Amino acid sequence: GDSVTQMEGPVTLSEEAFLTINCTYTATGYPSLFWYVQYPGEGLQLLLKATKADDKGSNKGFEATYRKETTSFHLEKGSVQVSDSAVYFCALSDLGGNQFYFGTGTSLTVIP
Amino acid sequence: DAGVIQSPRHEVTEMGQEVTLRCKPISGHNSLFWYRQTMMRGLELLIYFNNNVPIDDSGMPEDRFSAKMPNASFSTLKIQPSEPRDSAVYFCASRTGNTYEQYFGPGTRLTVT
Repeated sequence: GDSVTQMEGPVTLSEEAFLTINCTYTATGYPSLFWYVQYPGEGLQLLLKATKADDKGSNKGFEATYRKETTSFHLEKGSVQVSDSAVYFCALSDLGGNQFYFGTGTSLTVIP
Repeated sequence: DAGVIQSPRHEVTEMGQEVTLRCKPISGHNSLFWYRQTMMRGLELLIYFNNNVPIDDSGMPEDRFSAKMPNASFSTLKIQPSEPRDSAVYFCASRTGNTYEQYFGPGTRLTVT
């Protein structure tokens, strides 16, 4: 069945460092891909999305490109801030939108 | 836009008691999802509704759990009787039929002692 595998955490970075959180997926057909962010004590918020191959989702300095050839959707940010400290979830929705799969989450801590 | 509303935000109860969690989806959204989040198991989909009809309840852990959606603007998740292992954060999320992204509520933190 469909699934999402994301990089284990926790990840600790210094402010202004480069961030990559890896996410790969397994799916039949052409899923939509998402990154969600969860700040402490809050629900998940959609960070960015991509609905077809080669699409690049971007928001708040974060980017991820839908790579069909490598079945990946890695999250990147060029310069992280302390306020980016959160848990990041990669997610997949199947073509019909009837199934939604989340990765296990990657905790990011950014230190000043 | 009020977003997804969940109540209560925190619930502490004793083992054996009935617990009811409530969710109001975003107006106009026609799909609603209930999730449970724990450190051990991460985020688990319990059940989802489409146009108020339960579509997939395979994630509901056992018969002690039940969910209803009597109308487009309200859903409940009930646990009876509750057990300590039910302690978790329960999230509700909603979605329109036109896009696939889900919008999450702030969650209900349930503690069963």
